[in-house]
Amino acid sequence: KAGVTQTPRYLIKTRGQQVTLSCSPISGHRSVSWYQQTPGQGLQFLFEYFSETQRNKGNFPGRFSGRQFSNSRSEMNVSTLELGDSALYLCASSLNGGELFFGEGSRLTVL
Amino acid sequence: QKEVEQNSGPLSVPEGAIASLNCTYSDRGSQSFFWYRQYSGKSPELIMSIYSNGDKEDGRFTAQLNKASQYVSLLIRDSQPSDSATYLCAGAPHAGNMLTFGGGTRLMVKP
Repeated sequence: KAGVTQTPRYLIKTRGQQVTLSCSPISGHRSVSWYQQTPGQGLQFLFEYFSETQRNKGNFPGRFSGRQFSNSRSEMNVSTLELGDSALYLCASSLNGGELFFGEGSRLTVL
Repeated sequence: QKEVEQNSGPLSVPEGAIASLNCTYSDRGSQSFFWYRQYSGKSPELIMSIYSNGDKEDGRFTAQLNKASQYVSLLIRDSQPSDSATYLCAGAPHAGNMLTFGGGTRLMVKP
């Protein structure tokens, strides 16, 4: 069974640009969550989508947004990038609440 | 602020010993708790989930939950060098996948 696939794995952007990250969940998983991981703040919840609807949202500014498609694939977008947005962005899919299966992550560097 | 607290470590144990990892949480609304293991440069992987007070055993791992004391622990018996990793404790409300993660405890198992 294929795991969670995230693309791209690495990307470098400059301040002010925007970025879109993609996530394909495990087949049959309808919940997709996004987390930001940094050395200083650890793993922080961004948002969760279930059946194309945002079910929960973390405490991040409106520059962070996401969506989920009918095939459960999800994208997240960060607009007007700031240096502090440099992080590992992890997507996780789930069948049962809380038992998350993480992808390898997208490592974003903002210069 | 809903928090999950862990000692950052490192916790160093000899091979074959029992490693004891602890976690406290502040949100009494948290119903589900999880332990994830994260190797350096890799994404987190689920080890254990626990939903009710008491102990839950899975192989060499035992998770313990005490909701009255707002305390979660993970015991690793017969620790192996391959167990060396960062262990993340997380709590979640009853529904959804909005996990709050602790900062993680780095475990080092010395041969």
